[in-house]
Amino acid sequence: KQEVTQIPAALSVPEGENLVLNCSFTDSAIYNLQWFRQDPGKGLTSLLLIQSSQREQTSGRLNASLDKSSGRSTLYIAASQPGDSATYLCAVGDGGGSNYKLTFGKGTLLTVNP
Amino acid sequence: DAGVIQSPRHEVTEMGQEVTLRCKPISGHDYLFWYRQTMMRGLELLIYFNNNVPIDDSGMPEDRFSAKMPNASFSTLKIQPSEPRDSAVYFCASSWGGRSAETQYFGPGTRLLVL
Repeated sequence: KQEVTQIPAALSVPEGENLVLNCSFTDSAIYNLQWFRQDPGKGLTSLLLIQSSQREQTSGRLNASLDKSSGRSTLYIAASQPGDSATYLCAVGDGGGSNYKLTFGKGTLLTVNP
Repeated sequence: DAGVIQSPRHEVTEMGQEVTLRCKPISGHDYLFWYRQTMMRGLELLIYFNNNVPIDDSGMPEDRFSAKMPNASFSTLKIQPSEPRDSAVYFCASSWGGRSAETQYFGPGTRLLVL
């Protein structure tokens, strides 16, 4: 059974700082990996999706990397802003087609202080 | 597009009562997922449908939980009887498998409190 762990559980940084969120998973035979953002009282929004054959994906100030063999992914946020404050969830996608399922970590609560 | 719509947004009920959560997926999406989120266990997949047919319900915790999708635009998750340990946020998500079921769009969730 796939298990996903995120470290740290919470992180507080001053505005402008670069930061890294970590995700690890137990079964390296994944289909892909996604990073989501969750704001309080709201649903999840997909940020980045990395296919198993890819090493990284970038969107604006966000960069996600994937090392499938070691079971790790990182989300790098450059020049953090107070608006980045949210919970960031890592999710591993297993299977494909109609068998696709996501297994989520418990998330990292990020606070960016002005 | 209005996105995935869930109702109610908040539900408070007493132990033993029946609870019905509702979801309207994004029009044209053929996959629908029900998730539950708690502090202890994080976000867990309960069940998902493809073209209104349940594909995998292995995440449904007990027989007290049931889900239906009578048509492409509506799904329900029912808990009967409810227990305090069912208190959680329940999310519905939908996606389009024609390109990839990987991109899931989440609703705002239903926050359930069972007293």
